Amino acid sequence: AQSVTQLGSHVSVSEGALVLLRCNYSSSVPPYLFWYVQYPNQGLQLLLKYTTGATLVKGINGFEAEFKKSETSFHLTKPSAHMSDAAEYFCAVSGYTGNQFYFGTGTSLTVIP
Amino acid sequence: NAGVTQTPKFRILKIGQSMTLQCAQDMNHNYMYWYRQDPGMGLKLIYYSVGAGITDKGEVPNGYNVSRSTTEDFPLRLELAAPSQTSVYFCASSYSGAMNTEAFFGQGTRLTVV
Repeated sequence: AQSVTQLGSHVSVSEGALVLLRCNYSSSVPPYLFWYVQYPNQGLQLLLKYTTGATLVKGINGFEAEFKKSETSFHLTKPSAHMSDAAEYFCAVSGYTGNQFYFGTGTSLTVIP
Repeated sequence: NAGVTQTPKFRILKIGQSMTLQCAQDMNHNYMYWYRQDPGMGLKLIYYSVGAGITDKGEVPNGYNVSRSTTEDFPLRLELAAPSQTSVYFCASSYSGAMNTEAFFGQGTRLTVV
């Protein structure tokens, strides 16, 4: 079965510091992986996705993620945190049939001024 | 484009009442989904639809019903509300069911059952 695990339900960083949000996946087929961001009282918005090809994926707002098959990981990073990055972040993997996504439990990012 | 629109944004129901959560998309997507989001649990799929007239159960369908009479609309029905259905509900859509296709989400409906 497909699943993702997000390590750390809460992460705090100082403004300007590196953001690192961790996601590990489990999949018996080549995975398609996604990161979504949810701002307060908003729906989920796609940050980036990995399908095939380049393992370093660039997304919106300066975020990027690297697919590492050997580590079954798809961690999200941003070199310099901004106050506007404070949000909930979800990692997800597509199901076998593509008819659903399996979401992690989310990581709440706090940015300290 | 409006994208995915959900109504209402907030609702309080009494135990045993019923209601319909509305969802509409204007992107001509065939695939539509209903998820519920509970604190610390991520999102769980309730029902999905691959086109008008076709629906199927997700991980947590009990207590809910759906219909899909048009491409645009995918309402979610709660027949006998229970406190366990207190949650935030998200409707989403995607243009295909391919594994590499992302979903577009509405802003959610926050439902409280008391």
